[in-house]
Amino acid sequence: KAGVTQTPRYLIKTRGQQVTLSCSPISGHRSVSWYQQTPGQGLQFLFEYFSETQRNKGNFPGRFSGRQFSNSRSEMNVSTLELGDSALYLCASSFTGGSSWQYFGPGTRLTVT
Amino acid sequence: EDQVTQSPEALRLQEGESSSLNCSYTVSGLRGLFWYRQDPGKGPEFLFTLYSAGEEKEKERLKATLTKKESFLHITAPKPEDSATYLCAVQAGGNTDKLIFGTGTRLQVFP
Repeated sequence: KAGVTQTPRYLIKTRGQQVTLSCSPISGHRSVSWYQQTPGQGLQFLFEYFSETQRNKGNFPGRFSGRQFSNSRSEMNVSTLELGDSALYLCASSFTGGSSWQYFGPGTRLTVT
Repeated sequence: EDQVTQSPEALRLQEGESSSLNCSYTVSGLRGLFWYRQDPGKGPEFLFTLYSAGEEKEKERLKATLTKKESFLHITAPKPEDSATYLCAVQAGGNTDKLIFGTGTRLQVFP
């Protein structure tokens, strides 16, 4: 069974640009969550989608948005990039939600210059 | 506010030298406590889930335990390949999969 895949794996953008990251969950998984990982803050929850609906949202500015498609694939978008957005963005999927194990993808390393 | 604190931040061990990592938490309505292992440049890899105080789980040289306020990850006779960052996370009550992570313990095991 294929794991969680994320594309692209690496990305370099300039301040002010926008970026879209993609996540394909494990087959059959309907819940997708996104996290931002930085050396200073660790892993911080961005948002969670279940059956195409945003179920929960973390404390990030509105520049961070996401969506989920009918096949459970998810995208997150960051507009007007800032230097502080440089991080590893991780996607995790789980089967149904509710104390179920989350499986993480390898992440997308975003560098903003 | 839900919070997870891990200690120590970093740990250096000789091969075979057993030790424990600590994860203390405050959460409203704990539904699960998770341990993950993360290698550099990779996503976290699931290790254990614990659901109630007194529960213990083992996998090879690792053993996780849970009380009402904290969890321990015991590493028995570690090997260099156990070197990684170990992350603890909690899942609170409610209809969500959201995980609240600690900042991790970076473990280095030397031969």
